[in-house]
Amino acid sequence: GESVGLHLPTLSVQEGDNSIINCAYSNSASDYFIWYKQESGKGPQFIIDIRSNMDKRQGQRVTVLLNKTVKHLSLQIAATQPGDSAVYFCAERSADKLIFGTGTRLQVFP
Amino acid sequence: GAGVSQTPSNKVTEKGKYVELRCDPISGHTALYWYRQSLGQGPEFLIYFQGTGAADDSGLPNDRFFAVRPEGSVSTLKIQRTERGDSAVYLCASSLSGDTQYFGPGTRLTVL
Repeated sequence: GESVGLHLPTLSVQEGDNSIINCAYSNSASDYFIWYKQESGKGPQFIIDIRSNMDKRQGQRVTVLLNKTVKHLSLQIAATQPGDSAVYFCAERSADKLIFGTGTRLQVFP
Repeated sequence: GAGVSQTPSNKVTEKGKYVELRCDPISGHTALYWYRQSLGQGPEFLIYFQGTGAADDSGLPNDRFFAVRPEGSVSTLKIQRTERGDSAVYLCASSLSGDTQYFGPGTRLTVL
């Protein structure tokens, strides 16, 4: 399959540490945001979402923070595992479509 | 339950040829989206269907690209007179409520 993100920003973390992936979005009117995980040769996989009327939302091992003042999203992954290695994209909904950020490659080393 | 499926997984064609890419959305999802992803980039929106109709086709790059969803389920993306610049992974997503979009594995198109 296609290899994703050959020239993306990379975050390297040790297994068991927490990871924080950041994203800036462009449209202050966007009302919904999603984080996706994409492994090589696969389609984006939904991780967690958040609406613009919230600042924080937690899932299993993941937390998304939304700062509307500076148009910034972050994804926090607790106790990062080797299976978390992938490219992570944030996306904002504009009208009916998603607009994706650049993506960050997360590498987990033992 | 089955997720979004796309066929073929890989398609190699020659410049100038016509191709069709198929998407089977999650059963019951009324919204269907096509995106294109180039190497090292995030997916870029092409077209959105609500039911059978194209609600937003503003992302289609030119008139060589066309998509249909005649029965409100399966969708086909059609590309005429393919060019080398059309080479990319074509992703399909579906949604029940218009919020979370669930993606298929994509079709990798290579135009020689």
